Amino acid sequence: DVMLVESGGGLVQSGGSLRLSCSASGFTFRSYVMHWVRQAPGKELEYVSAISSDGATTYHADSVKGRFTISRDNSKNTLYLQMSSLRVEDTAVYFCVKGGYCKSANCDWGWFDPWGQGTLVTVSS
Amino acid sequence: QTVVTQEPSLTVSPGGTVTLTCASSTGAVTSGYYPNWFQQKPGQAPRALIYSTSNRHSWTPARFSGSLLGGRAALTLSGVQPEDEAEYYCLLYYGGAQLWVFGGGTKLTVL
Repeated sequence: DVMLVESGGGLVQSGGSLRLSCSASGFTFRSYVMHWVRQAPGKELEYVSAISSDGATTYHADSVKGRFTISRDNSKNTLYLQMSSLRVEDTAVYFCVKGGYCKSANCDWGWFDPWGQGTLVTVSS
Repeated sequence: QTVVTQEPSLTVSPGGTVTLTCASSTGAVTSGYYPNWFQQKPGQAPRALIYSTSNRHSWTPARFSGSLLGGRAALTLSGVQPEDEAEYYCLLYYGGAQLWVFGGGTKLTVL
């Protein structure tokens, strides 16, 4: 079974940094797009970042661009989200999501399942 | 700033049919937006239901169907079950810098 387990969340002060990790198992991690999606308490989902299977192509939402960096270590089957200059509005549960298959340079960016259970990031002022 | 709009809430009776819609501030939603639909129950992670407008995942019950309707993406539930009570989110593809944008969600009540 595919499993995604996020870690690294916690309480941090505004302006601080945090690195989230997502440990993947049950599939060939190096062959798939991966996404980060977040959800502020009681709010809607917000798309954050995506990365191709080889890490060569990344996307970041405008709300996090220049502050967050998505990366991956295929030798460790782990996805990361480095977050810096954190703001109160970054407070959310961050979900790691398995994306679609990549074959050569072509990736399926439109697959979003399964999701991890999420890790809570709280940014205090 | 692109906005994706869903009905904030809908109520349906058990066994009934309901359609949730997903509109884009940029204009009509087409298949090129690759609409995805997700179900989220309280305290749980979302689960994908529909991808690329109308394709059900292997685990998605047949009573869920996706389509395009009047310039919007639509999710129709036929023969609604009590366990379908949940929040439903659509997701549209814009490419470029924005890539994907979620709708605000529809809270579906089965009553």
